[in-house]
Amino acid sequence: ETGVTQTPRHLVMGMTNKKSLKCEQHLGHNAMYWYKQSAKKPLELMFVYSLEERVENNSVPSRFSPECPNSSHLFLHLHTLQPEDSALYLCASSQEGGDEQYFGPGTRLTVT
Amino acid sequence: AQKVTQAQTEISVVEKEDVTLDCVYETRDTTYYLFWYKQPPSGELVFLIRRNSFDEQNEISGRYSWNFQKSTSSFNFTITASQVVDSAVYFCALSDDFSGGYNKLIFGAGTRLAVHP
Repeated sequence: ETGVTQTPRHLVMGMTNKKSLKCEQHLGHNAMYWYKQSAKKPLELMFVYSLEERVENNSVPSRFSPECPNSSHLFLHLHTLQPEDSALYLCASSQEGGDEQYFGPGTRLTVT
Repeated sequence: AQKVTQAQTEISVVEKEDVTLDCVYETRDTTYYLFWYKQPPSGELVFLIRRNSFDEQNEISGRYSWNFQKSTSSFNFTITASQVVDSAVYFCALSDDFSGGYNKLIFGAGTRLAVHP
């Protein structure tokens, strides 16, 4: 149990659907992250929130929209995705700069 | 630019063998952190160790040990007497950007370790 939960664990959606991924951390951390892990690619950092403010957006297409309503919750809103967006989406949290990040179990997303 | 290289894509060993996973990093900063994570088939990345750039002492935790050498920019990970439960993908990561209260991790491509009975 790492203290970071993600729902749903699996998601299949069509290209015209709208869905949201949810992440919750129970560790009292100040920063939260979204990563994308595709087959045969290194983990890609998508977004970073520090104290509920978005501080990083690594050239992610606008069809991915993050939301951080408070320090414990992080969402990734998805709309009009492409098949190449199929991947494992991982959420993580950390306390301070330089600290290790703790990861959730991920959401396996398939776009049909 | 920062970079982490894990040259070994896949390693296959028989149980009880020792195995070393290599990690070479590049950074221009003098202050940075290095990490190792384990990703079992379930998908979750499990934190194993964090080491800052000023601490070159090797570390041992049970069957796991880490060898940090700044002279060769390497942070290698050894599993002694491997077990089937060690089968996973192992990632090395670097962070040299952490001034904003958060951490930007640069991950290597990972090494898939298969331990056979």
